Amino acid sequence: GAGVSQSPSNKVTEKGKDVELRCDPISGHTALYWYRQSLGQGLEFLIYFQGNSAPDKSGLPSDRFSAERTGGSVSTLTIQRTQQEDSAVYLCASSLFSGTHTDTQYFGPGTRLTVL
Amino acid sequence: QKEVEQNSGPLSVPEGAIASLNCTYSDRGSQSFFWYRQYSGKSPELIMFIYSNGDKEDGRFTAQLNKASQYVSLLIRDSQPSDSATYLCAVNIGNTGGFKTIFGAGTRLFVKA
Repeated sequence: GAGVSQSPSNKVTEKGKDVELRCDPISGHTALYWYRQSLGQGLEFLIYFQGNSAPDKSGLPSDRFSAERTGGSVSTLTIQRTQQEDSAVYLCASSLFSGTHTDTQYFGPGTRLTVL
Repeated sequence: QKEVEQNSGPLSVPEGAIASLNCTYSDRGSQSFFWYRQYSGKSPELIMFIYSNGDKEDGRFTAQLNKASQYVSLLIRDSQPSDSATYLCAVNIGNTGGFKTIFGAGTRLFVKA
């Protein structure tokens, strides 16, 4: 596709339910990133994929959060037993991963998650 | 000390003025620096990047990098109300084994008509 796409654009769920967020990166981009942004706050790094592997999971807030990527393309971020503090916009970005410091990330439109 | 620091603002400038946005970083190994613009309710979009010391100009935007002072800035000339947004500074750190991008918290800019 022309850009990074994410679905759903909005998700309202009840506390305790599981949710899955999807990211489809730019075609040919091997690196994929998940961030969380709470209202009025900066970007909080969650996890990064190079291909299908995740060399950096340091940002995942708890074991309720997991992510996977298959076929070096689509990624899903799963939040189990959602809590109200999980409410935020979840942003996905992708990059070519040229292996140099010039790597530039391009962002999707985000998924706004609201946990009631 | 945060790895990438920005003044949260808001920074308010009149239309037509120069807006100056500043960013400092802590890792001397940082090699590349990016400015993103984020409108309210939207995702960040890349404005420009800079790798070498000095100035880099792109239209009304100029990025300035001083690695010795660990400082990067973004100047917006002839500011327009449509420039009102949050500006995020991002820094790539690492080596050929892998790079990590660290984002600042952003500076909110208001351009008054």
